[in-house]
Amino acid sequence: GAGVSQTPSNKVTEKGKYVELRCDPISGHTALYWYRQSLGQGPEFLIYFQGTGAADDSGLPNDRFFAVRPEGSVSTLKIQRTERGDSAVYLCASSFPGTRQFFGPGTRLTVL
Amino acid sequence: ILNVEQSPQSLHVQEGDSTNFTCSFPSSNFYALHWYRWETAKSPEALFVMTLNGDEKKKGRISATLNTKEGYSYLYIKGSQPEDSATYLCASLASGNTPLVFGKGTRLSVIA
Repeated sequence: GAGVSQTPSNKVTEKGKYVELRCDPISGHTALYWYRQSLGQGPEFLIYFQGTGAADDSGLPNDRFFAVRPEGSVSTLKIQRTERGDSAVYLCASSFPGTRQFFGPGTRLTVL
Repeated sequence: ILNVEQSPQSLHVQEGDSTNFTCSFPSSNFYALHWYRWETAKSPEALFVMTLNGDEKKKGRISATLNTKEGYSYLYIKGSQPEDSATYLCASLASGNTPLVFGKGTRLSVIA
């Protein structure tokens, strides 16, 4: 596609549920990043993929968060046992290695 | 760990006014500084990528400067228009393949 796309654009869930957020990067971009923006904060890094492998997952807040990119293109961020504090805008970005990151519009997650 | 600070947190200006805001970042371990413009429900849009001390970049009515020795960048908007209303984020990079470290952003509202 022409840009990075993310689905869904909005997700409302109940505390304790499982959610999956999807990112479709720009075709050919090997690097893919997930960030999270909580209310009143700037986007914070979660995880970075180079190809299929997670090159840096130091930003994942705890083991309820997991992300995959099995074919080196689409990535899914998975959150288990959601908590109210997980409510945020989840941003995905892609790039060629070492170049400018292009962002998707984000998924707004609300945990009730 | 990089710590990127932005000020002011929010700004209200009248249409036609010029304005500027600040981004400060650690001057050690510096690779690049990015400025993004983020409108609600849209993708963050890259404005500038700056790498060299003394760099000045311009895009229409928006310009930015960079001082890597003292660790700050200014973003200027000349003759603000209502469509400039957005959150302006700056982000620092420690190397080409590391994640962006964002400030909290400056929320600009331009009143017609």
